[in-house]
Amino acid sequence: NAGVTQTPKFQVLKTGQSMTLQCAQDMNHNSMYWYRQDPGMGLRLIYYSASEGTTDKGEVPNGYNVSRLNKREFSLRLESAAPSQTSVYFCASRDPADRRDVTYEQYFGPGTRLTVT
Amino acid sequence: AQSVTQPDIHITVSEGASLELRCNYSYGATPYLFWYVQSPGQGLQLLLKYFSGDTLVQGIKGFEAEFKRSQSSFNLRKPSVHWSDAAEYFCAVGARGSTLGRLYFGRGTQLTVWP
Repeated sequence: NAGVTQTPKFQVLKTGQSMTLQCAQDMNHNSMYWYRQDPGMGLRLIYYSASEGTTDKGEVPNGYNVSRLNKREFSLRLESAAPSQTSVYFCASRDPADRRDVTYEQYFGPGTRLTVT
Repeated sequence: AQSVTQPDIHITVSEGASLELRCNYSYGATPYLFWYVQSPGQGLQLLLKYFSGDTLVQGIKGFEAEFKRSQSSFNLRKPSVHWSDAAEYFCAVGARGSTLGRLYFGRGTQLTVWP
């Protein structure tokens, strides 16, 4: 049981390049999230997905797109990277809300450290 | 809207000393509350959580936190800090009844432990 996995771990992009950050979970969770972490800012929600086929914007969605490919996978795409998107990106997932023993905690992946030059 | 304030950006304590990290939240009802820890270069690990019941909750690594509704606080404590506790700590709040399960995080408190 690997939990939440993210690829790649590190990435350097030039301004204007595109890339996709991959996230997968093997805990059968319905809800998945993408956060970015910047020094002194804590974690800010970019996008989330309550279930397969649905996605919603979080606090800082501009410049990003997401795809909930299936129940396991939730990818984050930067179409035209900008230096302001230099950050550490975390994916997380959560138990479904309709279970009686739901814990509501989010489980985090190890992160992707992205630098845009 | 929910929000979380961690007033202390950086705290330094000596090994063996007691620790209290502050967390205040803003929410219209009783929220779900969490403390996460992040070691350098790592992801976030859950330390403890509060949903209901006993307002003093125990977590991993000897940490505990107390929910005080009247003060809208959920402070994290440890009686004796170890050098391995040096990390960044995040308080988070979630809304009850929300199927979306969003969490709102504080900006974090960086803990340095002197030997």
